[in-house]
Amino acid sequence: DAKTTQPPSMDCAEGRAANLPCNHSTISGNEYVYWYRQIHSQGPQYIIHGLKNNETNEMASLIITEDRKSSTLILPHATLRDTAVYYCIVRDRSNDYKLSFGAGTTVTVRA
Amino acid sequence: GAVVSQHPSRVICKSGTSVKIECRSLDFQATTMFWYRQFPKQSLMLMATSNEGSKATYEQGVEKDKFLINHASLTLSTLTVTSAHPEDSSFYICSASVGSGLAKTQYFGPGTRLLVL
Repeated sequence: DAKTTQPPSMDCAEGRAANLPCNHSTISGNEYVYWYRQIHSQGPQYIIHGLKNNETNEMASLIITEDRKSSTLILPHATLRDTAVYYCIVRDRSNDYKLSFGAGTTVTVRA
Repeated sequence: GAVVSQHPSRVICKSGTSVKIECRSLDFQATTMFWYRQFPKQSLMLMATSNEGSKATYEQGVEKDKFLINHASLTLSTLTVTSAHPEDSSFYICSASVGSGLAKTQYFGPGTRLLVL
């Protein structure tokens, strides 16, 4: 079962930063937060993951709150090609650390 | 790095026939690969975990005799849908793990769309 809560959808303006929230209030101390996205009719694409520190790569930044109960994925300059379903996943020890996909957030970037 | 391929990308078959889908890790070795299924407008559902050199582990409700998984090498896992029926029509996606410990990352293939007539 998914251990995260995400808004079902959100719209973003092209060129602006997109901030995608995720709640994971039952996360345990050594469980990582992963973000993937799935563009229509493609396999999921890995974006970023983190444990407790903020992380940044060429695609996005991940901000994790100090209590680790929530996180935010930031796409710094959204483009139309960023339109996708974004999944926030906690790799859960109770599920043998498998990835369990919830419904995700459908992000639509508009010109 | 961490590229996963699948073949074929789409397949149409007649009811009752078997279909084999290949999943390859192109630039790394993967002792563990995963197979997912995704129906229209739904999220991915894990079907099974494929372990190199040993039997696959199936999720609850997935018939192991219908979905045969073979992981014969560190770069190849195959999923065979036996005696396919129209209800097996779906988007099948594989992934492979990179890294170690709790920070293992899964990289996904592009998916295979199966249509059973």
